[in-house]
Amino acid sequence: DTEVTQTPKHLVMGMTNKKSLKCEQHMGHRAMYWYKQKAKKPPELMFVYSYEKLSINESVPSRFSPECPNSSLLNLHLHALQPEDSALYLCASSQILAVVGGLAGGKETQYFGPGTRLLVL
Amino acid sequence: GNSVTQMEGPVTLSEEAFLTINCTYTATGYPSLFWYVQYPGEGLQLLLKATKADDKGSNKGFEATYRKETTSFHLEKGSVQVSDSAVYFCALRISGTYKYIFGTGTRLKVLA
Repeated sequence: DTEVTQTPKHLVMGMTNKKSLKCEQHMGHRAMYWYKQKAKKPPELMFVYSYEKLSINESVPSRFSPECPNSSLLNLHLHALQPEDSALYLCASSQILAVVGGLAGGKETQYFGPGTRLLVL
Repeated sequence: GNSVTQMEGPVTLSEEAFLTINCTYTATGYPSLFWYVQYPGEGLQLLLKATKADDKGSNKGFEATYRKETTSFHLEKGSVQVSDSAVYFCALRISGTYKYIFGTGTRLKVLA
């Protein structure tokens, strides 16, 4: 099973709403990622969790709050978003990198979910 | 700094034509290199990868060779199909980190 699932598929929310995006994988991956992708742009890294602990936060505004409750689940809590936050939010997972001289033994492939398309009104 | 540069699209080809999408990178250390493909309305799928210099990644008729001397990882396919129409992203993983940097993507349209 090489699947990463994301729910919901689509989400429309107002600027005062609170909502959550969910991501799940059962590949035993201990690194999980959130990306934001605007139309016709590449994915931009937001957060990385390794061993359920936040290891990278790419200076993301606090209205985005990630959570990794266990090794299979990753959430992104949304509050007081702005219309410019409308985008495709992608979750990904990968094996933990065996950092030995920077080489990962080819195991660092990221597996992406289908994304949640978010519209903020 | 670390960056990935891809050729601008869109690229429009006839079925069975030869495809090249150029990708060059700048990076410290020894990055791993990837090509991902994104079909409309979907997430990214790994197409191929290479983890060290002179490695060749290949999958579904696509190939790319990690060229350290020219810092390139160009994607090629000998005969494209309509079903190859998608957006292709070149990416690198910064050595020793979980940070992946993506190029701007190249849209490929294959006409029957």
